Amino acid sequence: DAGVTQSPTHLIKTRGQQVTLRCSPKSGHDTVSWYQQALGQGPQFIFQYYEEEERQRGNFPDRFSGHQFPNYSSELNVNALLLGDSALYLCASSWGASGSFYEQYFGPGTRLTVT
Amino acid sequence: RKEVEQDPGPFNVPEGATVAFNCTYSNSASQSFFWYRQDCRKEPKLLMSVYSSGNEDGRFTAQLNRASQYISLLIRDSKLSDSATYLCVVNGEPYSSASKIIFGSGTRLSIRP
Repeated sequence: DAGVTQSPTHLIKTRGQQVTLRCSPKSGHDTVSWYQQALGQGPQFIFQYYEEEERQRGNFPDRFSGHQFPNYSSELNVNALLLGDSALYLCASSWGASGSFYEQYFGPGTRLTVT
Repeated sequence: RKEVEQDPGPFNVPEGATVAFNCTYSNSASQSFFWYRQDCRKEPKLLMSVYSSGNEDGRFTAQLNRASQYISLLIRDSKLSDSATYLCVVNGEPYSSASKIIFGSGTRLSIRP
């Protein structure tokens, strides 16, 4: 049973560039949430996708956008990268709509460095 | 005041000791609570949910105090493998509105032989 997978593992970008991170949910899951985790901090909720729509959003600017595909996989896009966007980006999958937080499984994350 | 606060530690305790962490939350309407464990450079993993009646899973006991707005995690007979960062998670809305999912900054625990 494949767990949550994310790609790439590591990424280095320059300020002002754009980046796309990818996530495949755990088998049987249809909901994907994205989190940003800065060093020494807990994960911060970015947004959640269910049925190919953004259902909930945290306090992140519009530079952060996402997409969910019919196979439930998801992408996180960040435009106009800032140094402060350097962080570990975690994807978590679960089953059902927004009430599915109870059984979230996290992927290994993508470590983004902005120089 | 942060919405969810944890003592960052580190807690450095000998193997076999009992250790307890607290986590306070500011939103009295918070509905559900969890403890996650995160190993260094790894993803968070759900350790246990926290129920009003308290719950126990082996050496781990979680408690919720709604009046004082804190949750606690007790680890008995600590093992070297318990060394990790423990994240408190609070869900502030009924039926898990994801926008109110808030992680604490974590408490680092180090178990020494």
